[in-house]
Amino acid sequence: DTGVSQDPRHKITKRGQNVTFRCDPISEHNRLYWYRQTLGQGPEFLTYFQNEAQLEKSRLLSDRFSAERPKGSFSTLEIQRTEQGDSAMYLCASSLKSGDLTGNTEAFFGQGTRLTVV
Amino acid sequence: GESVGLHLPTLSVQEGDNSIINCAYSNSASDYFIWYKQESGKGPQFIIDIRSNMDKRQGQRVTVLLNKTVKHLSLQIAATQPGDSAVYFCAENPLKNTGFQKLVFGTGTRLLVSP
Repeated sequence: DTGVSQDPRHKITKRGQNVTFRCDPISEHNRLYWYRQTLGQGPEFLTYFQNEAQLEKSRLLSDRFSAERPKGSFSTLEIQRTEQGDSAMYLCASSLKSGDLTGNTEAFFGQGTRLTVV
Repeated sequence: GESVGLHLPTLSVQEGDNSIINCAYSNSASDYFIWYKQESGKGPQFIIDIRSNMDKRQGQRVTVLLNKTVKHLSLQIAATQPGDSAVYFCAENPLKNTGFQKLVFGTGTRLLVSP
């Protein structure tokens, strides 16, 4: 499978525990994004990497959240001291910087990690 | 599987009909727009995109129309099939010419196709 891969697909954790999710983007894609989606809503942007540099973070990303992309390939998203409000689908997407002036190419999403905090 | 979007606007069509899903976007500075399809329990799947210097783009069975004057986007699906049943989201990139896709997603529309 050459698409965006996320692991695990589902995670149930107790409130207060730490969780970490992994995303493997499409191999030649240098841009990686994390989004969060709650039931009935569209995905909301969390953060963006170009190669290993984290260039943008949403205000949704509280200090309990940290994302890394140490070698510019896979990325991890860690949530510390989870709260019930963190329950959501966490989606990773990747895209490739195009050669034209706009630099926009489509972003491909993974299947997501469904987090349930109990 | 779990349901995506329990209280979304719903469009119900018969198999073989053409479907039109509409979306109003918010930022007049947005220069790139994408339609995604999301099936229950899965991530969004890219359908078609359009840049702001175009007003129409066609793919296989799908057409996207962009009206910048009224900030409106539509997705037309020809000869709708039961496999098209899903939630459809439009997304806009309000960051002009950066290539960085801080996508802002719309509410979503559930498409139900009856055989």
